[in-house]
Amino acid sequence: NAGVTQTPKFQVLKTGQSMTLQCAQDMNHNSMYWYRQDPGMGLRLIYYSASEGTTDKGEVPNGYNVSRLNKREFSLRLESAAPSQTSVYFCASSPQGRHEQYFGPGTRLTVT
Amino acid sequence: AQSVSQHNHHVILSEAASLELGCNYSYGGTVNLFWYVQYPGQHLQLLLKYFSGDPLVKGIKGFEAEFIKSKFSFNLRKPSVQWSDTAEYFCAVNADSSASKIIFGSGTRLSIRP
Repeated sequence: NAGVTQTPKFQVLKTGQSMTLQCAQDMNHNSMYWYRQDPGMGLRLIYYSASEGTTDKGEVPNGYNVSRLNKREFSLRLESAAPSQTSVYFCASSPQGRHEQYFGPGTRLTVT
Repeated sequence: AQSVSQHNHHVILSEAASLELGCNYSYGGTVNLFWYVQYPGQHLQLLLKYFSGDPLVKGIKGFEAEFIKSKFSFNLRKPSVQWSDTAEYFCAVNADSSASKIIFGSGTRLSIRP
């Protein structure tokens, strides 16, 4: 099993550009999550999907959209990137009925 | 609202020293508690978890944590640290059994002097 995979690993965008971060898991997990990690602030939940076909906002959803494409895939889209979105983005998944989460390797995004 | 506090932002220890990292949460009901570790350049990995039962939980690599309900605490301990324990440690809490949302603390950076 590859676990949770994310693409790309690194990305540099100019202000106003758009991009989609991809996440996939092969563990048949029901729930998937997107976090951003900033120094001194821990991980903050952007959006999550408790099950296929549902998505909900987390703590910091502004400026982002998500799509739960199927059970395996959960993408995060930045429609118009801003420097404040410079961060490391982690995708995670968890199995139904259990709350521990399994994380991907992260995407380091810089917006100039 | 739920919150998780990790008061130690950066801890520096020598090898073989004992470790205790503090974690407090704010929620009065049933909680699930976690410690995650992030080694330099790597993603988060689960270190240990508490769901119910024995409040002293043992995890990987010799770590343990004690859930003290009356103090709303879930402190992480290790009797003798190694240089390879250098990492960032995150406490997390889930207090919503209907969803799998986890709230993370801000993290504690642990540096071990060889």
